[in-house]
This record gives sequence, structure tokens and C-alpha cells, in this order.
Amino acid sequence: GNSVTQMEGPVTLSEEAFLTINCTYTATGYPSLFWYVQYPGEGLQLLLKATKADDKGSNKGFEATYRKETTSFHLEKGSVQVSDSAVYFCALSSPGSARQLTFGSGTQLTVLP
Amino acid sequence: DGGITQSPKYLFRKEGQNVTLSCEQNLNHDAMYWYRQDPGQGLRLIYYSQIVNDFQKGDIAEGYSVSREKKESFPLTVTSAQKNPTAFYLCASSIAGTANNQPQHFGDGTRLSIL
Repeated sequence: GNSVTQMEGPVTLSEEAFLTINCTYTATGYPSLFWYVQYPGEGLQLLLKATKADDKGSNKGFEATYRKETTSFHLEKGSVQVSDSAVYFCALSSPGSARQLTFGSGTQLTVLP
Repeated sequence: DGGITQSPKYLFRKEGQNVTLSCEQNLNHDAMYWYRQDPGQGLRLIYYSQIVNDFQKGDIAEGYSVSREKKESFPLTVTSAQKNPTAFYLCASSIAGTANNQPQHFGDGTRLSIL
């Protein structure tokens, strides 16, 4: 079956530090890959997505590249801000699946001023 | 603005009571989903519906029930059979079908607690 594995948190960084959150997946076929962000007390918001190998998704300074050879979709940001503090979820969607999304367990990020 | 509205934001239940969580969307999406989120954990799928009057169990459907009488609405009932209902519940919607590149849109959630 499908699965998503994220690096365990929590992750604590100083403002302007470089961020990497690792995500690897197992899936049949050619899935689409997503990163969602959840701010405290809120629902999930789509951060970025990539639908085929070597695609790079980007939004608000965050980037992730769909690497089929390593089955990975790592999230990166060059300079984090305090406002980036949130929980980040990696997810995949397999073709032909009515359920659509399989989520990782989430990574808590705290950015200190 | 289009979106998903969940209500109430906070809900308290006594032991043995059923409670219903509301989820309404005006995005004209065919598919809707209910997830449960426990502290420090990911999302687990409870039920999903691809079309009106049809729905399927997810991974943790026991103790829950749903209905889908209207396209816009997908209420979730937490029954007394659910022994550990305290959690954060999230509703989502998306364009239906099996194309795999459609993201889900989420509401702001309902936090359910047992008195």
C-alpha cells in the first residue's frame, strides 16, 4: 500500500536559518506529491505540489522537487521566519485512488527570533 | 469567498451522548472527507464521499457515521460507541474522480472534548 515517511520533529531553528524537512514515499504507479502546512488551531493549507518526476513545486519561498529515483519530496526554505512556525505534512495521491491522499505524520517546526 | 465551514469550533460531549459535527462547502466539489487528528500525530481518514448519497469507510470508521444528502454538506456523527472521541476533526473537499493531481481543501476543524 501507499505510505509517507517524514523526518521526526520537533525541529527548532533560529530565524534566517536554512530549513530541510525530509519526506520519502512508497506508492504504486506515479503519484502526485503535496506539502501542507497547519498553523496552531487551524486546518491544513496546501503549500505546494508536484505532479510528475523532476517537477519542482514552490510557494512563499518554500521548494520541493519530486525525485522518483530516490522516492523523495524534501521541503526546503533558504531563510525561515518566525511566522513559518507550524506543522508541515507531506502527502501523496495515487492514480485511480478515490481516497486520494495519504499523509505523513507531520513535522513540528518552531522558529526562534 | 469559496471555502469549507466547520461548526462548532469547540464541542463538548458527555459520556454516552451522540454529537454531530457540521461541514459545509461552497466550492462545488463533489468529494468530501472527514479526518481525525490526535496530538502530535498525522491525519487518519474516517469516511469519504465521492458523490451525493454515497460514502465509504476510511481507516477508522468504527464509532462514527455520516450522511451525504446534499452536495454541499457532509455531517459527521460521533456515536457513543466511539470510546475515545477526544480529538481534532477536520473536514476536506476536492474535485472528485480518480485523477491524482487534485489537492484537498480543508476547513478549520472542530475540537471535540469529553466532559
